[in-house]
Amino acid sequence: KQEVTQIPAALSVPEGENLVLNCSFTDSAIYNLQWFRQDPGKGLTSLLLIQSSQREQTSGRLNASLDKSSGRSTLYIAASQPGDSATYLCAVSTQNRDDKIIFGKGTRLHILP
Amino acid sequence: EAGVAQSPRYKIIEKRQSVAFWCNPISGHATLYWYQQILGQGPKLLIQFQNNGVVDDSQLPKDRFSAERLKGVDSTLKIQPAKLEDSAVYLCASSFVELGGYTFGSGTRLTVV
Repeated sequence: KQEVTQIPAALSVPEGENLVLNCSFTDSAIYNLQWFRQDPGKGLTSLLLIQSSQREQTSGRLNASLDKSSGRSTLYIAASQPGDSATYLCAVSTQNRDDKIIFGKGTRLHILP
Repeated sequence: EAGVAQSPRYKIIEKRQSVAFWCNPISGHATLYWYQQILGQGPKLLIQFQNNGVVDDSQLPKDRFSAERLKGVDSTLKIQPAKLEDSAVYLCASSFVELGGYTFGSGTRLTVV
């Protein structure tokens, strides 16, 4: 059974710092991995999608890496801003045709002005 | 491209009452998901449709929850009767399998009192 773990559960850093959020999954047979952002009381906004054959994806100040063999992904945020404060969720899609996705519990990020 | 539409945005009901949520996925997306997200946790899959057929409903509490996707487009999720522990955000998502990745709606926040 696929399980997704995100560490840390919460993180507070001063504005301007670079930071890394971690995601690990128990079954390396994944189809893709997706990072989402969720603001309080809101839905999920897709940030980056990494296919199983890819090693990383970049969008602006965000960079996500994938090491499928070790079951790990990281989300790197450069030059953090107060507007980056949100919960970041990692989700993996299974290898099978049913393409079900499994979420971690998320990392609550707070950027201190 | 229009996103995934959900309504209502918020709903407050008393326990033992009934409630229904509506979702309109992105045009052309064959796969539709309903997720339940309890405060502080990651989203949990309730049911997955492929066109108008159910792919996975193993975590749907079928004694009180039901869902349908008539004509393979819009979907409704119903709870009858509601319990206090059903208080959560209900998220709808859709995907186009060949491209991968999932798009979520803004969610419906349900409070059962």
